[in-house]
Amino acid sequence: SQTIHQWPATLVQPVGSPLSLECTVEGTSNPNLYWYRQAAGRGLQLLFYSVGIGQISSEVPQNLSASRPQDRQFILSSKKLLLSDSGFYLCAWAGTGFQETQYFGPGTRLLVL
Amino acid sequence: AQSVTQLGSHVSVSEGALVLLRCNYSSSVPPYLFWYVQYPNQGLQLLLKYTTGATLVKGINGFEAEFKKSETSFHLTKPSAHMSDAAEYFCAVSGNTGKLIFGQGTTLQVKP
Repeated sequence: SQTIHQWPATLVQPVGSPLSLECTVEGTSNPNLYWYRQAAGRGLQLLFYSVGIGQISSEVPQNLSASRPQDRQFILSSKKLLLSDSGFYLCAWAGTGFQETQYFGPGTRLLVL
Repeated sequence: AQSVTQLGSHVSVSEGALVLLRCNYSSSVPPYLFWYVQYPNQGLQLLLKYTTGATLVKGINGFEAEFKKSETSFHLTKPSAHMSDAAEYFCAVSGNTGKLIFGQGTTLQVKP
């Protein structure tokens, strides 16, 4: 069966510090991968998605970037965090069909102070 | 373009009462529709999905939803609420891009 991992689970970082969040998927190959942000009291905002190694599409211009160095690894990064980057970050994977279900990881809670 | 509107950011029901969470969508292509549930500080879990075929979709935990094209709706129901159903619920639509568009979510409170 497939599983998706995210780490760390919780992170507290000062403004201006760098960020690296990691997401890995097991039990499948060539998945589509997604990064979402969920701000307090709001819905999910798609940040990035990837259909293959090195292929990243950005949905929202911002302070963040994403990379996919391996087939089942998806990394979210920032060089300098802003207060507005605080939130709950969710990674998801799906098969490559249009109607495929997205399966979500446990999330990372990021607090920027 | 696609969009999802969830009517009511907070819904409160008594234990044993009917749960009805409303979702309306807009899509220029045949939609694929999803309901997810999120418990505090956790990721999203799929409740059910509609792709094609039968318009009444049954999901986990006794939930079901009916796709009504004429009303552009996909409301989520459960005949009898349980305390464990208290969570946030998200409706989402996907078209031919593989990307999901989420509604703003509805928090379900279940009172004893």
